Amino acid sequence: DAGVTQSPTHLIKTRGQQVTLRCSPKSGHDTVSWYQQALGQGPQFIFQYYEEEERQRGNFPDRFSGHQFPNYSSELNVNALLLGDSALYLCASSLYADTQYFGPGTRLTVL
Amino acid sequence: ILNVEQSPQSLHVQEGDSTNFTCSFPSSNFYALHWYRWETAKSPEALFVMTLNGDEKKKGRISATLNTKEGYSYLYIKGSQPEDSATYLCAPYSGSARQLTFGSGTQLTVLP
Repeated sequence: DAGVTQSPTHLIKTRGQQVTLRCSPKSGHDTVSWYQQALGQGPQFIFQYYEEEERQRGNFPDRFSGHQFPNYSSELNVNALLLGDSALYLCASSLYADTQYFGPGTRLTVL
Repeated sequence: ILNVEQSPQSLHVQEGDSTNFTCSFPSSNFYALHWYRWETAKSPEALFVMTLNGDEKKKGRISATLNTKEGYSYLYIKGSQPEDSATYLCAPYSGSARQLTFGSGTQLTVLP
């Protein structure tokens, strides 16, 4: 049984560009949450998707948007990239509000 | 936004030592407290989910306690081994926020 997978592993972009990160949840999970982890900090909640809708959102600007597909996989889109968006982006899947299982993350570097 | 504090920020212990860390969180509107272990170059791994005041959970040499009235949880590691080296994160789930709010973690290094 595959766990949570994320792609790509690493990504380098320049300021102003747009990026799309992808996540496939653990089999049987219907909820996907996205987190941003900056150096020296714990993961910061971006938003959560359930039944293809954004159910909860953290304190992130509208430049951060997402989508969940009928197969429960999810995308995180970030527009107009800033240097401060450089971070590790983690995806976690769960069955509704149960324990979250994390993927390995996507390391985004904005130059 | 919940204020979640973990201490110490980092810790170095010798193999065989027992150690413990603290997680402090707002006690109001508490729903659950999650502990995760995050080894370098791996995904965060769920250790415990605790919900009731006075809860104690154990997994091998690792155990945790929960005090929801005063808003803290302790994680204990008995007889630390080098493979216990990781960052330990706590994350309360509050009924109002309906999301996990992570602390900055305690980075544990166990020296052989």
